[in-house]
Amino acid sequence: DAMVIQNPRYQVTQFGKPVTLSCSQTLNHNVMYWYQQKSSQAPKLLFHYYDKDFNNEADTPDNFQSRRPNTSFCFLDIRSPGLGDAAMYLCATSRVSREGEQYFGPGTRLTVT
Amino acid sequence: KNQVEQSPQSLIILEGKNCTLQCNYTVSPFSNLRWYKQDTGRGPVSLTIMTFSENTKSNGRYTATLDADTKQSSLHITASQLSDSASYICVVSVFSGGYNKLIFGAGTRLAVHP
Repeated sequence: DAMVIQNPRYQVTQFGKPVTLSCSQTLNHNVMYWYQQKSSQAPKLLFHYYDKDFNNEADTPDNFQSRRPNTSFCFLDIRSPGLGDAAMYLCATSRVSREGEQYFGPGTRLTVT
Repeated sequence: KNQVEQSPQSLIILEGKNCTLQCNYTVSPFSNLRWYKQDTGRGPVSLTIMTFSENTKSNGRYTATLDADTKQSSLHITASQLSDSASYICVVSVFSGGYNKLIFGAGTRLAVHP
């Protein structure tokens, strides 16, 4: 059974056209993360939510926003996608503990035309 | 600076052979070390997780080792299968502010050929 679900799996958007990626979880985990992964690179953390507390990484562009309306759902909004934003976007969740393993979703591959 | 370095960058082996992937890290304070397998176009899937006091952890044909003194880890794959073709990522976590911040290595891309 899928525990971290991302929709859509593939998204094509036009340059400058806002796009929203979604993530849901059935694990009831407190923490949800959004990563950006470009080809052949390690995932890069954009931000995370600890319950409703939003934590932005210092180098995350202002173009990227996130919303977490409840425990199960988290959204990534890209306000004005540029060609450089084409990447795989990974959502992950974890419990609040030192041993809290992060469970990753299958990812959404974003193409910007 | 917290860093995780992996070697080799890529590796080709024949089906049925064994291989070992290496990971060196300079991360502090260390919380735990994980190995993930990432198939092309998919999210990473956890293989093993080890805390400071654990030296080895197995998951089927995958065996990870950890030497916390030298800050080195290895992932050994036994009797490789075609389905083992993937990227293997070493990840060290730092526990801060109630959550584990993950420091990712660049991964080793493994190709298993028949």
